[in-house]
Amino acid sequence: DSGVTQTPKHLITATGQRVTLRCSPRSGDLSVYWYQQSLDQGLQFLIQYYNGEERAKGNILERFSAQQFPDLHSELNLSSLELGDSALYFCASSVEASPADTQYFGPGTRLTVL
Amino acid sequence: TQLLEQSPQFLSIQEGENLTVYCNSSSVFSSLQWYRQEPGEGPVLLVTVVTGGEVKKLKRLTFQFGDARKDSSLHITAAQPGDTGLYLCAGREHNFNKFYFGSGTKLNVKP
Repeated sequence: DSGVTQTPKHLITATGQRVTLRCSPRSGDLSVYWYQQSLDQGLQFLIQYYNGEERAKGNILERFSAQQFPDLHSELNLSSLELGDSALYFCASSVEASPADTQYFGPGTRLTVL
Repeated sequence: TQLLEQSPQFLSIQEGENLTVYCNSSSVFSSLQWYRQEPGEGPVLLVTVVTGGEVKKLKRLTFQFGDARKDSSLHITAAQPGDTGLYLCAGREHNFNKFYFGSGTKLNVKP
């Protein structure tokens, strides 16, 4: 158990819908990262927040957005869902945002778009 | 196109054999990490290397960061069935603070 929690564990929805994925970082961690893992694309970095502020942006689509709240939990919003958005979405947290920082991954949310 | 290329993609070996997994890029990274992921779970960090030329050993695992901080290798000695899993390298890009993961190496160690 990494100490990072993600809800829900599974999510099944239809194309065109909007969903929200939630992540609670480890106690004391200020940085939250979101990743998408699909079979054909591997693990892709989406976005990073540090203490409520966006720190780095990866391959995040415009239909996706994220935020980190004052209590440091984070939400990833996915809208106008397409079949290709079906994937495992991981959240990770770390204490700071330095290069040598250890990221601890949550168990993931499996999104299926039908 | 992946920024980090891992090879081989798949590896099936017998218990007791040695193996090396490679992670290569044309980009410079401020740090490079190796993870192991089991089906249905999140990746678990094995090691972080920061300095060019750095070598780290964790029991039977030896990690090396290239001198130019563009590539890395993971060597496992006397592999065991418990080593089976997906091995991922990940680099934090030097200038833009973004993370990139390699495509992974799926290792199967047969008893």
